[in-house]
Amino acid sequence: KQEVTQIPAALSVPEGENLVLNCSFTDSAIYNLQWFRQDPGKGLTSLLLIQSSQREQTSGRLNASLDKSSGRSTLYIAASQPGDSATYLCAVRLAGFQKLVFGTGTRLLVSP
Amino acid sequence: DGGITQSPKYLFRKEGQNVTLSCEQNLNHDAMYWYRQDPGQGLRLIYYSQIVNDFQKGDIAEGYSVSREKKESFPLTVTSAQKNPTAFYLCASSIDRDRGPSGTEAFFGQGTRLTVV
Repeated sequence: KQEVTQIPAALSVPEGENLVLNCSFTDSAIYNLQWFRQDPGKGLTSLLLIQSSQREQTSGRLNASLDKSSGRSTLYIAASQPGDSATYLCAVRLAGFQKLVFGTGTRLLVSP
Repeated sequence: DGGITQSPKYLFRKEGQNVTLSCEQNLNHDAMYWYRQDPGQGLRLIYYSQIVNDFQKGDIAEGYSVSREKKESFPLTVTSAQKNPTAFYLCASSIDRDRGPSGTEAFFGQGTRLTVV
């Protein structure tokens, strides 16, 4: 059974810091991995999608990497801002299946 | 604007009552999903549908039912058999994976918060 773990569960940093969020998964037979952002009481916003054949994806200040063999992905946020404060979720799509398996998220707080 | 619309935003259910959550998408996506989110737990899949008139149970389907009569719509009914329905419900959609890997990015609606009163 695929399990997805995100560490740390919560993170507090001052504005301007670069930071890394971690996601690990137990079964490397994934189709792709997706990072989401969730604001309190809101739905999920897709940030980055990495296919199983890719090593990384970039969008603005965000960079996501994928190491399938070790079952790890990282989300790098450069020059963090208070507006980045949210919960960040990673999810893997299993090869051969339609469903996404989610981690429990990292709650990020960026202080001015 | 293309997107996924969930309604209502807040819903209150009395004991023994069935309620239906609406999910509509205008993205022309084939696949649609329902997830449940509880505090401290990851999102859990309730049902998903890859094509009109077909759907499959997810990990926690008991006490829920769905229909997929139109490509754009995937309503979820929370029945009285669901003993602990208070949660945040999220609907998602994606292009079917058979159309290539770039099509499997999932997009989510803004959610419906269901509370039992």
